[in-house]
Amino acid sequence: DADVTQTPRNRITKTGKRIMLECSQTKGHDRMYWYRQDPGLGLRLIYYSFDVKDINKGEISDGYSVSRQAQAKFSLSLESAIPNQTALYFCATSDWQTNTGELFFGEGSRLTVL
Amino acid sequence: AQSVTQLGSHVSVSEGALVLLRCNYSSSVPPYLFWYVQYPNQGLQLLLKYTSAATLVKGINGFEAEFKKSETSFHLTKPSAHMSDAAEYFCAVSEGGSGNTGKLIFGQGTTLQVKP
Repeated sequence: DADVTQTPRNRITKTGKRIMLECSQTKGHDRMYWYRQDPGLGLRLIYYSFDVKDINKGEISDGYSVSRQAQAKFSLSLESAIPNQTALYFCATSDWQTNTGELFFGEGSRLTVL
Repeated sequence: AQSVTQLGSHVSVSEGALVLLRCNYSSSVPPYLFWYVQYPNQGLQLLLKYTSAATLVKGINGFEAEFKKSETSFHLTKPSAHMSDAAEYFCAVSEGGSGNTGKLIFGQGTTLQVKP
C-alpha cells in the first residue's frame, strides 16, 4: 500500500459544485501539503500544515480551503469549482526531524471542471 | 526568496546518449536542492538531493547532479539514456535552505523523450 494515499484519483465535475480531495498518510510525518500541477508551470503550493493546529496558505490558495482532521489526514476543498481549477493535485508529506524539506508524494488526483 | 529555472521544457535524446537536464536556482541562503521524476500517471519520486555535503550527488537509476555555487546550477546528468528514463523531471529548492520552512519551490519541469 502507498504511504501517501489520495482519493479520488480522477474526478469530473461541473462548474459551481463543491469538491473534496482527501489525503491520508502512514509515514507518521507531521507536515502535509497540497500542490497543484499545471503543464508548463510545475507544481505550485496551495496550502500546507505543520501540525493539526497549524494551517498556512501557500502561493495559490484563493478558491481553496483545507482541513487537517488528524495528523494523518489532510483534505482539500473547492467550495465552488471553476474550469481553471482543472489540474492534477498532489498531496505530500515531510518530516521536520530530517530538516531537509524533502517531500513524499501521493499519486495525484486529476480534477476536471466542466 | 528562492526560485528555480529549468532550461528547456522538452529534451530529446537517443537511447544510449548522454542526458543533461539543466537547472539554475536563486537563493539568498545556502540552498537544499532536489531532482524529482514523474512517470506517466504517477506521483513524483525523489531522484537525488543536495543538502550541503558532497557537491556531486548520486541518485537512483544512474542519475547524478553537481552543485555549482559559482554558476548557481544543479544540472542533472546520466551517461547513457534508457527508454525507461522517459518522464518529466522537476528541479526544486527548499525554501530557506538549512533553516527551511518545509516548503519546496519547483521549476517548470522538463519532459525527457528517449528515441530508440
